Amino acid sequence: SQQGEEDPQALSIQEGENATMNCSYKTSINNLQWYRQNSGRGLVHLILIRSNEREKHSGRLRVTLDTSKKSSSLLITASRAADTASYFCATDGKDSSYKLIFGSGTRLLVRP
Amino acid sequence: DSGVTQTPKHLITATGQRVTLRCSPRSGDLSVYWYQQSLDQGLQFLIQYYNGEERAKGNILERFSAQQFPDLHSELNLSSLELGDSALYFCASSPGQGSRTEAFFGQGTRLTVV
Repeated sequence: SQQGEEDPQALSIQEGENATMNCSYKTSINNLQWYRQNSGRGLVHLILIRSNEREKHSGRLRVTLDTSKKSSSLLITASRAADTASYFCATDGKDSSYKLIFGSGTRLLVRP
Repeated sequence: DSGVTQTPKHLITATGQRVTLRCSPRSGDLSVYWYQQSLDQGLQFLIQYYNGEERAKGNILERFSAQQFPDLHSELNLSSLELGDSALYFCASSPGQGSRTEAFFGQGTRLTVV
């Protein structure tokens, strides 16, 4: 079973708009990560946020974490066609930091 | 280039056969993860090794097995293959354990069982 679930499953926006994806998870975590996957290729790490952090930025990416609601969001600002990809959140469980469990992903389409 | 190498890139085999997928982690990374990605199941965690020892197990079938060798490369063995085993198999590596550090993914092995 998946630890994290992304919402929405698919998102289509115009270039220049912002894209927001959400991730909910079930158990307490140590950290949460976001990854990007271009079609059929390997995943690329975007950002890691620790359980004691509430917000983190990296370039056009902004990630928030609300441990009380067991949820995280990824915001991509000023989207570009090249941002078209699937985005996954990944979590561990406080009982086992060895597992890195991925959610089902959000497919983002940025229209030129 | 993530530095993680997976071979082969593509594999076509018949039902009932056995295959071995190989993964070379990034230099210095001690953790290796294996994932299965299919259209209907998403990215499923199979197993993780840390410095040669199994550390975590996911929904890995009994027909599947893996190991990490002293040089830290890893192999995933899939036997008695079924049509439903057709998927992308990813290997990832990280310097540390689990979610404490980022994982670096290989480009995957696309397995087609016919």
